[in-house]
Amino acid sequence: DGGITQSPKYLFRKEGQNVTLSCEQNLNHDAMYWYRQDPGQGLRLIYYSQIVNDFQKGDIAEGYSVSREKKESFPLTVTSAQKNPTAFYLCASKEGVGTEAFFGQGTRLTVV
Amino acid sequence: LAKTTQPISMDSYEGQEVNITCSHNNIATNDYITWYQQFPSQGPRFIIQGYKTKVTNEVASLFIPADRKSSTLSLPRVSLSDTAVYYCLVGDTGRRALTFGSGTRLQVQP
Repeated sequence: DGGITQSPKYLFRKEGQNVTLSCEQNLNHDAMYWYRQDPGQGLRLIYYSQIVNDFQKGDIAEGYSVSREKKESFPLTVTSAQKNPTAFYLCASKEGVGTEAFFGQGTRLTVV
Repeated sequence: LAKTTQPISMDSYEGQEVNITCSHNNIATNDYITWYQQFPSQGPRFIIQGYKTKVTNEVASLFIPADRKSSTLSLPRVSLSDTAVYYCLVGDTGRRALTFGSGTRLQVQP
């Protein structure tokens, strides 16, 4: 089945450690996105990529890094510089203009 | 990107029609209007998209007036399972960031 997969679903890390969240899609979509969602809040854009080897900062990029070496993969690293990393992280992909975005099931990161 | 304004929350009862309005005064000529639905601990799901006038699918209808400065998502005869957060997005979304607002939290009661 075609879709977008995030792993793992739950992730626990100690404070000060970097952690990488996986996002893979087999929809052949050019654009991919990472969002953060805090309890009771909307989605905030962290990074997005419109094409391989290129990405742009979103509204809250500080403390995060990404790479886009392959069309189907867009991993997000939460670095130790992120002051409050505990949150629900969502990845999405989209084909082009006027088309819908498809979301993964999310990764809930807890930093203790 | 055009900024959107939606009500923070709405309440309804099963079987009623629910209309959620989104304001987007700065919408550009190339912008589409897209609505997503999100359940707790899940990623948003596409509901409907339109450019002008009316669009209808098996889930909802989208009404867009001629000036396109607002849009209304209409959910016919809601059920408890329609309790969710609904997001309105505006943009050509092809080459720019896909930005969500705070959404409208719809609570459907028996």
